[in-house]
Amino acid sequence: AQTIHQWPVAEIKAVGSPLSLGCTIKGKSSPNLYWYWQATGGTLQQLFYSITVGQVESVVQLNLSASRPKDDQFILSTEKLLLSHSGFYLCAWSLAWEYQDTQYFGPGTRLLVL
Amino acid sequence: QQKVQQSPESLIVPEGAMTSLNCTFSDSASQYFAWYRQHSGKAPKALMSIFSNGEKEEGRFTIHLNKASLHFSLHIRDSQPSDSALYLCAVSAATSSGQKLVFGQGTILKVYL
Repeated sequence: AQTIHQWPVAEIKAVGSPLSLGCTIKGKSSPNLYWYWQATGGTLQQLFYSITVGQVESVVQLNLSASRPKDDQFILSTEKLLLSHSGFYLCAWSLAWEYQDTQYFGPGTRLLVL
Repeated sequence: QQKVQQSPESLIVPEGAMTSLNCTFSDSASQYFAWYRQHSGKAPKALMSIFSNGEKEEGRFTIHLNKASLHFSLHIRDSQPSDSALYLCAVSAATSSGQKLVFGQGTILKVYL
C-alpha cells in the first residue's frame, strides 16, 4: 500500500527565516508529485509539480522553490519567509499526468509565520 | 486561464436530506472533473471524478457533468453528519508546461441531526 509522509507536522517560523518542508511517498514507483498551498479558509492552490527526479515545474510564483532529489522525495523551501507564506502545505501524488488521474494528498504541514 | 467557481459557499441540511453542490468552469476544453472532500484540519480526499458528459453514481454520491453549460455538480443522497466537510471541485487546465488542476474555493457543508 502507498503511504505519503510529510514533515514537519507544524512549524512556527519568523519572517525572514529559511524553511524546508519534506514529503516522502512509499510503495509507488515514479509517481507524479505536487505541492499545494491552502491559506486558512482559502482555495487550494497548486504550486509545483514533478514527473521525474530532478525535474520540477513551477505553477505559481510565491517566492518558494521545490526540488525532487530522489524518486520518492519532494522538498519545498525558501530562504526568506514572508508573512503571506502562512498556511497549510500539502504534498500529493498521482500516477497519470496527461489525464489528471486522482491525486492523493499527504497529511499536510501547518506553517505559521510571525 | 481556467476559472472555477463553486456555489453555494455554505450549506446546512438535516440528516437524510439530498444535498446538491455546484461547480462552474470557464475552459470548455477541460478533460477532467473531480470532487474532493476535506474534513476540518485534514487533507483533501478524492470522492469522484468524471471525464465525459453525463452522470456517474457511486453509493450515495452522484456526479453530473455538462460541458456545454460549463457546469458539473455533486449530489449526496441521504446526507449524514459524517458528510459535514469542505467540498472542493477540481478541473483540469492546460498550461504552457502541461496540465494542472484548478480547485474551486469550496462549499462548506454541515449536516445536523
